[in-house]
Amino acid sequence: ETGVTQTPRHLVMGMTNKKSLKCEQHLGHNAMYWYKQSAKKPLELMFVYNFKEQTENNSVPSRFSPECPNSSHLFLHLHTLQPEDSALYLCASSLAGQGNTEAFFGQGTRLTVV
Amino acid sequence: GESVGLHLPTLSVQEGDNSIINCAYSNSASDYFIWYKQESGKGPQFIIDIRSNMDKRQGQRVTVLLNKTVKHLSLQIAATQPGDSAVYFCAENGGYQKVTFGTGTKLQVIP
Repeated sequence: ETGVTQTPRHLVMGMTNKKSLKCEQHLGHNAMYWYKQSAKKPLELMFVYNFKEQTENNSVPSRFSPECPNSSHLFLHLHTLQPEDSALYLCASSLAGQGNTEAFFGQGTRLTVV
Repeated sequence: GESVGLHLPTLSVQEGDNSIINCAYSNSASDYFIWYKQESGKGPQFIIDIRSNMDKRQGQRVTVLLNKTVKHLSLQIAATQPGDSAVYFCAENGGYQKVTFGTGTKLQVIP
C-alpha cells in the first residue's frame, strides 16, 4: 500500500456515459496528479494540482475534467469518451514546494470505453 | 521534444544474477531522476532516486548510476529474485513537477 487509494479499480463505460474516478491520499501531500498509461507508451501526465489549484493541464481534451476539492482528494470526471481513451488512469501525490521529491502512485483505474 | 528512452524493452535474467537496466534521457537541464517498479495490476512504486550532483547512489540491493556526460542512467539490481519481475521505469524531472517517464523495461527473472 502506497497510501494513495483509487476507486473504482475497474470501469467499463459507454461513449455516452458520465462517470468519475476518485483518488484520495492521507500522506499529508499537497500536490496531486493524474496520469494516463496506455499499452506500450510512456506514462502521460494529464493534470497537476498544487494546494488544490490546477497548475498543469497537459493539453488534455475537455471530455476529461479534473476536480480537487481539497489536498487529500482528486477526481477525474469523464464524459463522452472515445474507445482510444481506454487505458489505466493513475493518480499520484507528492510534496509540493519541497524541492524534488518522488511521487506516490495509486493502483490505478483500468478504464474500458465501449 | 524532450524524451526519456529505454534501450531494451525486455530483459531476462537468471535468478541470483545481477540485472542492469539502462535509460537514456535528452533533457540536459534535468536535475532529478527516479526509478520506479510496476508490478502487474499495480501502480508504479518508487525504488530509488538520484540528484544531478551525484553519480552513484545505493539502496538495498539496488544501485543507480548517473552519467551526465552521455545523459545515461542505469539501475543495477543485485542477486535478482523472482519478486523483482516487473516493468521498470526511469523518470526525469526537468523542472518543477514536470516529470517525464520512459516507456519501461520488462524484467523477467528465470528461476
